[in-house]
Amino acid sequence: DADVTQTPRNRITKTGKRIMLECSQTKGHDRMYWYRQDPGLGLRLIYYSFDVKDINKGEISDGYSVSRQAQAKFSLSLESAIPNQTALYFCATSETGALDTQYFGPGTRLTVL
Amino acid sequence: GENVEQHPSTLSVQEGDSAVIKCTYSDSASNYFPWYKQELGKRPQLIIDIRSNVGEKKDQRIAVTLNKTAKHFSLHITETQPEDSAVYFCAAFDSWGKFQFGAGTQVVVTP
Repeated sequence: DADVTQTPRNRITKTGKRIMLECSQTKGHDRMYWYRQDPGLGLRLIYYSFDVKDINKGEISDGYSVSRQAQAKFSLSLESAIPNQTALYFCATSETGALDTQYFGPGTRLTVL
Repeated sequence: GENVEQHPSTLSVQEGDSAVIKCTYSDSASNYFPWYKQELGKRPQLIIDIRSNVGEKKDQRIAVTLNKTAKHFSLHITETQPEDSAVYFCAAFDSWGKFQFGAGTQVVVTP
């Protein structure tokens, strides 16, 4: 879905480095989410935001932080990357107030050495 | 919070046969249940969904059933084709406004 974009698409970094993953959407959705995907574990929620002033922790927020710079932008940061944060990261959006599904970005493959 | 369990983790079927994936959820207030298909290296894509006021929904070769009393829902794929090979995820929209995902089912359709 070209309406949700993520940058970078691939990143290799070293332990201890600060990394920022960015997500932008043109769908006009208020809700945005960050997930990580690991083999056999499905999609696990890191952080979610229901609007610019509302940010909430998901089930695996430790080691991550987020920033909702605008309705259309939601960034995920790893302040000091560690190897077990190597994963595929997805951003997603959904519409407030409707039982509407989530639209996923293309994903960012992050490798921490 | 919501907990979604998905079975089986892998499913191998002969082309033309049917495939069934089952999910259970814990939050009785959950009211929306989408299914996603994820091909290798791609993003999850919605293939079908069902809302809590409906028991069954069908779209060509795929169908989803929901049993609210038992808190489980299932994906059915009939007349499977090689292009159906992918990982399938179920999800439940919980009372906190979040989606909880199952761990996924790797479906392999052999010719």
